[in-house]
Amino acid sequence: DSGVTQTPKHLITATGQRVTLRCSPRSGDLSVYWYQQSLDQGLQFLIQYYNGEERAKGNILERFSAQQFPDLHSELNLSSLELGDSALYFCASTPDPMLNTEAFFGQGTRLTVV
Amino acid sequence: ELKVEQNPLFLSMQEGKNYTIYCNYSTTSDRLYWYRQDPGKSLESLFVLLSNGAVKQEGRLMASLDTKARLSTLHITAAVHDLSATYFCAVARSYNTDKLIFGTGTRLQVFP
Repeated sequence: DSGVTQTPKHLITATGQRVTLRCSPRSGDLSVYWYQQSLDQGLQFLIQYYNGEERAKGNILERFSAQQFPDLHSELNLSSLELGDSALYFCASTPDPMLNTEAFFGQGTRLTVV
Repeated sequence: ELKVEQNPLFLSMQEGKNYTIYCNYSTTSDRLYWYRQDPGKSLESLFVLLSNGAVKQEGRLMASLDTKARLSTLHITAAVHDLSATYFCAVARSYNTDKLIFGTGTRLQVFP
């Protein structure tokens, strides 16, 4: 168990809908990262938050947004869902980017858009 | 743009044999990570390599980093079935963010 908790584990929804994925980082970790894993794109970095503020952005679609709350948990919001958004979404956390530690990953949320 | 390439993409090997997975990256970085992923599961950290010449070993796996060649290797010694998984290398780009750029992954199957 990495200490990173993601909910829900599975999500099935229809095209055009909106969903929210939740992530609780390891205790004491200030940075949260979101990654998308799909068969055609591999593992792609989406966005990073550090202590409540956006720190880095990857190839995240405009239909997707995220935030990190004062208690450091994070949510990834996916809207106007398309079939191609079906993927495994991972959250990871680290204590501080300057510490050069590895990122610990949650179990992921498997999103299926039908 | 930082790119990370792994080869081979797929590796089928017999138990007891040795093999090496290669990870090349396109721009300067001094931080490289190796992860393991079982099918449908999360990513498990294996190694963190932070400097040129770094070598780390855990059981039958050994990882090394050559920052001048922008190359990392993951060497498997005397493979066993339990090592069957997908292995990813990942590179961190800068020191104010740990965002990882992942390689394509190497799917390893070890058979008797």
